[in-house]
Amino acid sequence: EAQVTQNPRYLITVTGKKLTVTCSQNMNHEYMSWYRQDPGLGLRQIYYSMNVEVTDKGDVPEGYKVSRKEKRNFPLILESPSPNQTSLYFCASSLSGQASYSNQPQHFGDGTRLSIL
Amino acid sequence: AQSVAQPEDQVNVAEGNPLTVKCTYSVSGNPYLFWYVQYPNRGLQFLLKYITGDNLVKGSYGFEAEFNKSQTSFHLKKPSALVSDSALYFCAVRESWGDSGAGSYQLTFGKGTKLSVIP
Repeated sequence: EAQVTQNPRYLITVTGKKLTVTCSQNMNHEYMSWYRQDPGLGLRQIYYSMNVEVTDKGDVPEGYKVSRKEKRNFPLILESPSPNQTSLYFCASSLSGQASYSNQPQHFGDGTRLSIL
Repeated sequence: AQSVAQPEDQVNVAEGNPLTVKCTYSVSGNPYLFWYVQYPNRGLQFLLKYITGDNLVKGSYGFEAEFNKSQTSFHLKKPSALVSDSALYFCAVRESWGDSGAGSYQLTFGKGTKLSVIP
């Protein structure tokens, strides 16, 4: 089954304790992205990757890191989490990172709810 | 810069009645437009998209959307609402760079509209 898998689904942690949220897709998609969803703000893009070893900042990248060493995986890293990063996070992927496939829809994971105390 | 506005935080409609969820957009050039639906504790699911051509786009679960270039709108519609349509709906836009499928790398979402269908 074609899917985007995020882990963990839920995490409660404390300020300053490094954490990683994993994201994996099995559709051989080139483009992957991370979003955060906050009430009243919709989805805002954190980082995106157009292919292996190619990443770029989205609208709200501060406090986050990403890596894309393999096509299927795109982990989101919070080196020193703070309470303002408490949010619902989504990973998404789509067929191609090239601009020529900008009309392709994105496939989303089920989300990771992070609470940082 | 590209942006999306969903003017209604919540829409209530009686089961069996037609529904409309509004979306307006802003891009420098032509748009690629998308509608997604989010059910509780799930990720977003793609409903439909407008690329070019017919202004009326049909999608999943009986939904359709009408593209209106002069009003820069892309409203989501369904002729007869079901209780199971109750969910959070997001409109999204990417700027198109021409007819080849090329466009901006980022997808910009609206803030979402909560649809409640009342039995």
